[in-house]
Amino acid sequence: KAGVTQTPRYLIKTRGQQVTLSCSPISGHRSVSWYQQTPGQGLQFLFEYFSETQRNKGNFPGRFSGRQFSNSRSEMNVSTLELGDSALYLCASTGAEDTQYFGPGTRLTVL
Amino acid sequence: EDQVTQSPEALRLQEGESSSLNCSYTVSGLRGLFWYRQDPGKGPEFLFTLYSAGEEKEKERLKATLTKKESFLHITAPKPEDSATYLCAVHISGGYNKLIFGAGTRLAVHP
Repeated sequence: KAGVTQTPRYLIKTRGQQVTLSCSPISGHRSVSWYQQTPGQGLQFLFEYFSETQRNKGNFPGRFSGRQFSNSRSEMNVSTLELGDSALYLCASTGAEDTQYFGPGTRLTVL
Repeated sequence: EDQVTQSPEALRLQEGESSSLNCSYTVSGLRGLFWYRQDPGKGPEFLFTLYSAGEEKEKERLKATLTKKESFLHITAPKPEDSATYLCAVHISGGYNKLIFGAGTRLAVHP
């Protein structure tokens, strides 16, 4: 089985722009979760989607949003980028026994 | 407040020198505790899930154990390729698929 894929792998944006990241889960997995990883805060939960519905949301501003499509692929969007949004954004899909499998991440740099 | 604390922050071992990493947690209701390995610039790689106190799981040189308040990841006779950051995460009741991560332990194994 192919693993979780994320595109793009690297992204450079400037403050005030917006960005869309994409995640394709492992085939058959219906839950997709997003996390932000920074050196200072570690891995923090952003939100989770299941069957196109957001089930849970972390403590992030409304500039962070997401959606899930009928084929379980998911996107997250960050609007009005700030320098502090520079991070590794990780997507995970959930399989048996609630195990989350992570993708390689998208490295976002905001200048 | 749900919290996960890992210690030590960093650990340097000689090849063959066994040691343990600690993950202590304070959560309202534990559904499962996960261990991941993360190499620089990559997504976390799943290692183990533990569900109840007293449970143990092994994989090659790694063994994970769980008590009601903490988990240990024991590394026996480590090799340089075991060098990575080891992350502990808890899955709490009522949180759908939200994982709460510790800050990780950076392990360096020298020949």
